[in-house]
Amino acid sequence: AQSVTQPDIHITVSEGASLELRCNYSYGATPYLFWYVQSPGQGLQLLLKYFSGDTLVQGIKGFEAEFKRSQSSFNLRKPSVHWSDAAEYFCAVNTGFQKLVFGTGTRLLVSP
Amino acid sequence: GAGVSQSPRYKVAKRGQDVALRCDPISGHVSLFWYQQALGQGPEFLTYFQNEAQLDKSGLPSDRFFAERPEGSVSTLKIQRTQQEDSAVYLCASSLSTDTQYFGPGTRLTVL
Repeated sequence: AQSVTQPDIHITVSEGASLELRCNYSYGATPYLFWYVQSPGQGLQLLLKYFSGDTLVQGIKGFEAEFKRSQSSFNLRKPSVHWSDAAEYFCAVNTGFQKLVFGTGTRLLVSP
Repeated sequence: GAGVSQSPRYKVAKRGQDVALRCDPISGHVSLFWYQQALGQGPEFLTYFQNEAQLDKSGLPSDRFFAERPEGSVSTLKIQRTQQEDSAVYLCASSLSTDTQYFGPGTRLTVL
């Protein structure tokens, strides 16, 4: 079965520092890959997605992610974190059976 | 334009009560999905509709859970004889085709 691993439950980053959130997936072929962000009490907002083509994808709010087939990874990055980026981040895959399979999430804390 | 809306946003039920959760997808979106998000976890797939047809209900945890989308637009998730383990946030998502899903704010269900 398909699975998604986000190995970091919590990450604390200083405001203005760079950020990388890790995501690994288990699937035989290349799935559709997504990053969503969830603020407290809110639904999921799509940050970016990868279907095919250029392996470095740009998203909203200054986020980017890189697909690495050899590592089955789709890590999320941001060069300079803002306090408003504090939230829960979810990596998800769609293997063509319509449903999304999510990781357990990484909670980002931003320190002053 | 309007996004996915869900009502109620919060629902408290006594164990054994029936509840109904509503989802209004983005206008024109063919596909509609329901997910369950337990505290501290990523969302988990419950069921999927394409128009009025329920194409996948493999994630429904028991026969107490029932979903419908009779006219291919609004959907209702019904939970009969609620149990404490049903306490979670229920997320609805819609998509124009089968790639990118857009989520609503969710309904937080608490079963006492």
